[in-house]
Amino acid sequence: GAVVSQHPSRVICKSGTSVKIECRSLDFQATTMFWYRQFPKQSLMLMATSNEGSKATYEQGVEKDKFLINHASLTLSTLTVTSAHPEDSSFYICSAGHPGLAGTDTQYFGPGTRLTVL
Amino acid sequence: GEDVEQSLFLSVREGDSSVINCTYTDSSSTYLYWYKQEPGAGLQLLTYIFSNMDMKQDQRLTVLLNKKDKHLSLRIADTQTGDSAIYFCAEAFYNRLAFGKGNQVVVIP
Repeated sequence: GAVVSQHPSRVICKSGTSVKIECRSLDFQATTMFWYRQFPKQSLMLMATSNEGSKATYEQGVEKDKFLINHASLTLSTLTVTSAHPEDSSFYICSAGHPGLAGTDTQYFGPGTRLTVL
Repeated sequence: GEDVEQSLFLSVREGDSSVINCTYTDSSSTYLYWYKQEPGAGLQLLTYIFSNMDMKQDQRLTVLLNKKDKHLSLRIADTQTGDSAIYFCAEAFYNRLAFGKGNQVVVIP
């Protein structure tokens, strides 16, 4: 149980185009999903918290117009990187909050999406 | 705020035990987690410990929590080649996670 998928797993795009990444909780409903970015040999950086049916909460320094997040249902959140540039190349990982630990959600992670912008 | 520190690299022979350490700063954390990341993959939840516990054992994994020193450790018994990965500790702060920098474990056959 608690499986999270991401699609695509890898994408290469030209500079200036937009890329959409999907995050799905396959066997549970997730009120909250999280989007992280990971640079090589570094830890995860939280970009935003996505709540179903409401606007995402972005971390300081993350441009909300650049990284559009939509949490349309309890099993799907999408991250769209708009007008992508080479500096947006990174590993993007989502997680979904799964309840069950005495009131605290445990985050289960997707397999990640490798974005390369040429 | 929360701040989590980890050392960076550990090399261990197959069959030996490996210990990964982590320190954290926020004493109000309710849960602390250990995640495993293999190359090019997402994070796999390994285990967690509630903040009022001192120790938790789960098969080959033993988690020790020293709340006084804000120190968390993960011991992997009988380390296997499949244990080669980066290990992240994380503390839960409300519904957010603060991650350590990660500790790369390399298992030598």
